[in-house]
Amino acid sequence: GENVEQHPSTLSVQEGDSAVIKCTYSDSASNYFPWYKQELGKGPQLIIDIRSNVGEKKDQRIAVTLNKTAKHFSLHITETQPEDSAVYFCAASKDTGFQKLVFGTGTRLLVSP
Amino acid sequence: GAVVSQHPSRVICKSGTSVKIECRSLDFQATTMFWYRQFPKKSLMLMATSNEGSKATYEQGVEKDKFLINHASLTLSTLTVTSAHPEDSSFYICSARSITDTQYFGPGTRLTVL
Repeated sequence: GENVEQHPSTLSVQEGDSAVIKCTYSDSASNYFPWYKQELGKGPQLIIDIRSNVGEKKDQRIAVTLNKTAKHFSLHITETQPEDSAVYFCAASKDTGFQKLVFGTGTRLLVSP
Repeated sequence: GAVVSQHPSRVICKSGTSVKIECRSLDFQATTMFWYRQFPKKSLMLMATSNEGSKATYEQGVEKDKFLINHASLTLSTLTVTSAHPEDSSFYICSARSITDTQYFGPGTRLTVL
């Protein structure tokens, strides 16, 4: 089955810096890659997603890149703000059947003022 | 749009009792809903996939008689933890799949079994 690895497990940056979180997946049939932000005691919130027919997607300060050949995708946050501090999860799934998401292990991002 | 609610947000119960958690998609219909369990500082673990009008599909190692799932309508799925024990204490989160195949998550339910 699919296996998703996520790095780093923790990331500390200064406000205004950029943050990059990387994930690799094992199943070449996976074609949908969402990123979720989870704040303490809350459910995950979808922040951006990408499908395998594109290599990059941007939404204001957030971007995701996908390299299908290498089977890895990354989340890029520019001009980080303290409110970006949270745990970020990547996930992968296939557009078939029940579309189960396989999650990475999470990255705790801390943005210091 | 794409809001998923869960009720209750927190529940404390005695060992041996049953607890029901509701998951609702408020502004869209979801033929498929998912139930996850999350331990402190860990990732989400899929427990089961719930399809409207049919039996849930459970992940390996999840006891279907202990975690009863009912997907009664296109906007409501329920998870009942039967004969709860302290080891069932956890954060339970549901998600609903929209028509665009995006999963939206609920806010979670913190279950504490005494």
